[in-house]
Amino acid sequence: DGGITQSPKYLFRKEGQNVTLSCEQNLNHDAMYWYRQDPGQGLRLIYYSQIVNDFQKGDIAEGYSVSREKKESFPLTVTSAQKNPTAFYLCASSVGVRAATEAFFGQGTRLTVV
Amino acid sequence: QQPVQSPQAVILREGEDAVINCSSSKALYSVHWYRQKHGEAPVFLMILLKGGEQKGHDKISASFNEKKQQSSLYLTASQLSYSGTYFCGTEPESYGKLTFGQGTILTVHP
Repeated sequence: DGGITQSPKYLFRKEGQNVTLSCEQNLNHDAMYWYRQDPGQGLRLIYYSQIVNDFQKGDIAEGYSVSREKKESFPLTVTSAQKNPTAFYLCASSVGVRAATEAFFGQGTRLTVV
Repeated sequence: QQPVQSPQAVILREGEDAVINCSSSKALYSVHWYRQKHGEAPVFLMILLKGGEQKGHDKISASFNEKKQQSSLYLTASQLSYSGTYFCGTEPESYGKLTFGQGTILTVHP
């Protein structure tokens, strides 16, 4: 079945460590997105990519980095520079920008700093 | 900038109606609506495009005022399964960046 997969579901990180969240899709979508979800703040855009080897900063990119070396993969690294990384992270993909189609979401990764 | 949703929360009894609003300060190409149950991924409800085209579920309706950059989601004859957090997402005309609002929490009681 086609879909978008995030792993792991739960992740614990010690302060000062970098950690990478995985996002893979087999929908042949060009566009991929990373969002952070905190209570009362909705879904805030971290990074997005419209095509392989290209990505753009979203509204809260500081302390995060991404890569898009393959169409199906868009990993997110939470660096030690991110001051408050504990949150629920959602990855999404869509056919492409201006494609007028829905975005598909993964099941999310809950990151906790201990 | 995130689109602004209102109200922040709604409490209904089964069978009652609700309207959720979404507004943006930018000219929009499309507006998306999603519903999220606690701890789960958001699920697509509807997309509205500049020019009037709509795609989505049969039992949900929405409107898009292109001049005001506002959209409304209409939930009629609510059911218990409608409970969840509703998000609007907007894609501006000028670039392909899908940004979501802060969400509206809908609770339907028997």
